[in-house]
Amino acid sequence: AQKVTQAQTEISVVEKEDVTLDCVYETRDTTYYLFWYKQPPSGELVFLIRRNSFDEQNEISGRYSWNFQKSTSSFNFTITASQVVDSAVYFCALGDGSQGNLIFGKGTKLSVKP
Amino acid sequence: DTAVSQTPKYLVTQMGNDKSIKCEQNLGHDTMYWYKQDSKKFLKIMFSYNNKELIINETVPNRFSPKSPDKAHLNLHINSLELGDSAVYFCASSQAQGRRNIQYFGAGTRLSVL
Repeated sequence: AQKVTQAQTEISVVEKEDVTLDCVYETRDTTYYLFWYKQPPSGELVFLIRRNSFDEQNEISGRYSWNFQKSTSSFNFTITASQVVDSAVYFCALGDGSQGNLIFGKGTKLSVKP
Repeated sequence: DTAVSQTPKYLVTQMGNDKSIKCEQNLGHDTMYWYKQDSKKFLKIMFSYNNKELIINETVPNRFSPKSPDKAHLNLHINSLELGDSAVYFCASSQAQGRRNIQYFGAGTRLSVL
């Protein structure tokens, strides 16, 4: 089965706290791609990162970092020193087979309070 | 310049009406998609088009029909609208077909059926 699970429905933190959003995936493919998208209150979907299954090196982009662990089928997203502008719904997604549509998790709503 | 643009942003209509949502991308991409986001924020693929050919047709009602006059446009026509069609519809595009490709999304169209 192809599935993405984001167990955290909502997270609330205070500004400057670090926060980790969890993503667990299931796939029958040996080569696969994982994605994170951000949906701010304005509603658009913003691409954040793509990771392929054969590159386990963690990635950092400013305050954002991603930890990919094949052994646990997880692709977690950490925001360091969170800011109010980070408040959004974050989606983890899996690229499905050769047709390429995205299989999304149910999203995690992050609220960062000042 | 907006890469993927959808019109209208909001659409309010009565049950039984027929409506269309337009989508255009100026990225030169070959593949376009329609996703539906329900009231719980769950995103699910509806259709995708690659070089004007339908390549995915999930189990959506045949009242929904995608139409692509050229590879930069993928419009969504909905006949005989029902209350359950109320949702946010997102158009997306990617450079090519396949799970490795990053999908870029439009801002969404919020459809309300009364």
